[in-house]
Order: sequence, then C-alpha cells, then structure tokens
Amino acid sequence: EAGVAQSPRYKIIEKRQSVAFWCNPISGHATLYWYQQILGQGPKLLIQFQNNGVVDDSQLPKDRFSAERLKGVDSTLKIQPAKLEDSAVYLCASSPISRQSSYEQYFGPGTRLTVT
Amino acid sequence: AQSVTQLDSHVSVSEGTPVLLRCNYSSSYSPSLFWYVQHPNKGLQLLLKYTSAATLVKGINGFEAEFKKSETSFHLTKPSAHMSDAAEYFCVPRDDKIIFGKGTRLHILP
Repeated sequence: EAGVAQSPRYKIIEKRQSVAFWCNPISGHATLYWYQQILGQGPKLLIQFQNNGVVDDSQLPKDRFSAERLKGVDSTLKIQPAKLEDSAVYLCASSPISRQSSYEQYFGPGTRLTVT
Repeated sequence: AQSVTQLDSHVSVSEGTPVLLRCNYSSSYSPSLFWYVQHPNKGLQLLLKYTSAATLVKGINGFEAEFKKSETSFHLTKPSAHMSDAAEYFCVPRDDKIIFGKGTRLHILP
C-alpha cells in the first residue's frame, strides 16, 4: 500500500512570495490533515478535511493560508504572502475515518519550507 | 479544554537500560491516546494507541504505555533501550480535537 505522498520535499522562497504544497493521501482515506511543525515543536493542526468538507480549520491563519481538497482526494495548501515565521515543515496526514477518534493518522514525509 | 504535557523535553538513558517518557493530559472525557515517534529527517510513525480497551498497550519495537485515568497519564516505557530508539516522541490525546505534545527527545548513550 502506497503511503501519503507530498511534494515538493523542500522549498526556499523570499518573504511576500507565494507557495503551494501538494498532498496525496492513502487511497480510500476519507480524512486528510495539514500540520505545521516549527523546529523544536510538536506539529500543530492547521486544517482537517473529511472528504472535501472542512472539519476543523480553527488554527489556520486564514488571512494568508488557504487549503482545498477538490474531489475529496488530493489536497493543496497555499501560503500567500509568506512571512519569515512560516518557515517550518508542513506535514500531511490521512486516516480512514474522522469521527471515530480511535483511528491513527498516517503521515507523509513533509515539505520543509524556508522563507528568507 | 483539552491539553497535553510531556514532562521532559530531553531524556538520556544508557543503551540496555529502561526508558520512561512521561505524558499527562486533560480532556472533557476519556480521549483516545497515541504515541508517535519521529526519527531525524523521517516522517511521524505510530508507536501505539489506547482506545478504551486494555489499559496496558503494547506497541512496536518493544514499547508499552499504560493508561491511568486517575492520574490522567499515559507514560511510555521500554525495558531496554537500543541505539535505534534515539528520536523525538510525541504524546497525542484525541477527542474532538487533536493536540500534539511538545515532544521528548530521547538520547541513547553507548
């Protein structure tokens, strides 16, 4: 079974530029998550989708971050414009069910973003 | 409000000695509880999970965790550390929210 795919793996941009990350979850997983992990900290949930609907985006900085999951499969996360403090690893994860909290998440390798 | 506290940011043990990584949580009701491991430059991997069945949970690579409701704890243990256990470990309670702890970095001394 293929795992969660993410691209690109690394990205360097200047502040005020825009950037987009892509995630393809495990086939059949209804729930998809985007996390931000700043160096030395635990991952912080940015947004959670079930199929193509948003379950939780309470910690997404909506003035600059956006995410979509068209057709309920792959997803993109965009930052526009980027700030220095957005430098982090962006993790995508998927799980088969949303409401049943017993289902663990499967994580992709992450995208390391550096904003200069 | 739901929260999680990993009591140690760094733990150092000698190879072959026991490992204890501590986690306390608070939640409105009994959450599911997970431990994830993150090796350097690798993705997060599930170690084990508690979902209201047996309170002593066995995971991969010889790790165990015990759910103690009275103490609101879910500490991670391993009888004998191996060099390959060196990594960052995250405790994650989950009810209607998912919150990662700040992590505990485990160092293994030769």
